[in-house]
Amino acid sequence: GQNIDQPTEMTATEGAIVQINCTYQTSGFNGLFWYQQHAGEAPTFLSYNVLDGLEEKGRFSSFLSRSKGYSYLLLKELQMKDSASYLCAVADSNYQLIWGAGTKLIIKP
Amino acid sequence: IAGITQAPTSQILAAGRRMTLRCTQDMRHNAMYWYRQDLGLGLRLIHYSNTAGTTGKGEVPDGYSVSRANTDDFPLTLASAVPSQTSVYFCASSDSQGGSNEQFFGPGTRLTVL
Repeated sequence: GQNIDQPTEMTATEGAIVQINCTYQTSGFNGLFWYQQHAGEAPTFLSYNVLDGLEEKGRFSSFLSRSKGYSYLLLKELQMKDSASYLCAVADSNYQLIWGAGTKLIIKP
Repeated sequence: IAGITQAPTSQILAAGRRMTLRCTQDMRHNAMYWYRQDLGLGLRLIHYSNTAGTTGKGEVPDGYSVSRANTDDFPLTLASAVPSQTSVYFCASSDSQGGSNEQFFGPGTRLTVL
């Protein structure tokens, strides 16, 4: 079966760095997405990885290892507004997105 | 209109009733999607459409139907609602299916079936 695993909840301190991990087992792989979702709102796109390595975009970076079925989202210089859920999604062989349940990130002052 | 709109924002529905959730996008995207989001579960694809005039079944299509008469609109119909269909429903669109094409999401419809 297809499966995306990520931690349910994480807590971090304002100004710090946090890494949110995602492991996947899917029928085919056509890229991995990270989305941010604030409570009561729609998901919004953060990043896309299809090749191994690190993609950096401002305070956010995303890493992919296809051989390990593993990705992480790295958030630096955490701000209170980063409190949200972070969703990992993999595009399978049919280009349909398989979604993890999301990681709720709580930022403390 | 800017982006994707959904209506209604929320709805309480008696079991057995018919309900249509509306979704409209103004980005001229070819692909559109309907997801449901339940606590503790990831977004699950209900139905999708790669282009106007075509639709396909996702992971959880039972009890739902869709149509795609034109590029902009992608309504989702519950023919006879059941309590297990209580959920938050998101409509999304992308330029095309595949590649790095990010999906843009509407604000969601919170549906409660009693």
